[in-house]
Amino acid sequence: EVQLVESGGGLVQPGGSLRLSCAASGFTFSNYWMHWVRQAPGKGLVWVSHIIGDGSATTYADSVKGRFTISRDNAKNTLYLQMSSLRAEDTAVYYCARLGINWGQGTLVTVSS
Amino acid sequence: DIVMTQTPLSLSVTPGQPASISCKSSQSLLHGDGKTYLYWYLQKPGQSPQLLIYEVSSRFSGVPDRFTGSGSGTDFTLKISRVEAEDVGIYYCMQAIHLPWTFGQGTKVEIK
Repeated sequence: EVQLVESGGGLVQPGGSLRLSCAASGFTFSNYWMHWVRQAPGKGLVWVSHIIGDGSATTYADSVKGRFTISRDNAKNTLYLQMSSLRAEDTAVYYCARLGINWGQGTLVTVSS
Repeated sequence: DIVMTQTPLSLSVTPGQPASISCKSSQSLLHGDGKTYLYWYLQKPGQSPQLLIYEVSSRFSGVPDRFTGSGSGTDFTLKISRVEAEDVGIYYCMQAIHLPWTFGQGTKVEIK
């Protein structure tokens, strides 16, 4: 059974940093592109970033480009999202996803002073 | 970016009655591999999105057969043959043919 479990969310001040993790199991992690998608409170779903299987290529939404870095450790079956220069508008539940098929339960990031 | 437009944005349905949601994309979602990368999700209150339909019309494991996806190219529809109380939530369509993935605005379904 495919499982994606996010962690690392929490309360952070504007301008601060946070690293999210997504532990994957139930499939050959290195074979798949992985994505981060976020959802601000009461709002819709917004794609954030993706990384290919071997980690050699990444893409980002314009809203996070230059501030967020996606990475992966295929030996640990773990996806990461390093977030820096955080803003209030980054407040959201962050989901990791495999293809469009499997999603984690999400981790809440709150950016507030 | 591909724009996904859902209609209606809200729906109030009597239990046992059908419901239909439309999703239109600004570009064709037909890939060169022959697949059309259109997905439907239901997000129940306080939960993460759960996949209902992938590649337009394939029902995900465990999804009741009252959910049916159809369409092609740029026009897609999700139909619920007989709405049940557990179907309440927000329904989203999503395209995954091009990055960035983009989503419809969501359709809120409630029970009368």
